[in-house]
Amino acid sequence: GQQVMQIPQYQHVQEGEDFTTYCNSSTTLSNIQWYKQRPGGHPVFLIQLVKSGEVKKQKRLTFQFGEAKKNSSLHITATQTTDVGTYFCSKNAGNMLTFGGGTRLMVKP
Amino acid sequence: NAGVTQTPKFQVLKTGQSMTLQCAQDMNHEYMSWYRQDPGMGLRLIHYSVGAGITDQGEVPNGYNVSRSTTEDFPLRLLSAAPSQTSVYFCASSRGGAATGELFFGEGSRLTVL
Repeated sequence: GQQVMQIPQYQHVQEGEDFTTYCNSSTTLSNIQWYKQRPGGHPVFLIQLVKSGEVKKQKRLTFQFGEAKKNSSLHITATQTTDVGTYFCSKNAGNMLTFGGGTRLMVKP
Repeated sequence: NAGVTQTPKFQVLKTGQSMTLQCAQDMNHEYMSWYRQDPGMGLRLIHYSVGAGITDQGEVPNGYNVSRSTTEDFPLRLLSAAPSQTSVYFCASSRGGAATGELFFGEGSRLTVL
């Protein structure tokens, strides 16, 4: 089963609005990763967060890792139609990399 | 570089049939893995391998076998297909393994079991 929980499961936004997805774990994580999957496509790696309280930015995307390393968020500023897709967080336990259920983002132009 | 190549892209099977999903990577990655993705669900890990000759079970290994005779190839075998195995299957590889978190995915194989 899923060992990291993602919320919300779905999100509709108007183009230009902001969007945030959250990833929560009951246990402390060594690191966390974020992936994006376009409709009909395959997951593509976005970023890895390792340090407590870490914040990283990629253009309009801001990734945060919680101080306790049990949660993370992905925030998109001023969404565009190209942001449409499902965003997954993932964690590793030993040699296993497992994924959350994902947040599906839909953007109305 | 082709990256991670999966074949076939689409397959329809009857219950009880067997088949092999092929996965090959040309990036010299030691770590390879197989996931299945069902509608509305995330990716679930089936099997993984940290190098040639080494395989291990993931979250949902029942009904699937794997082998890793070379660094490049990591086939997934369905021994006796069941409708519950209808899914999209993704193969992925990584240079640094699960610790780096950066997996490169193939384009997927869509399997339907009737």
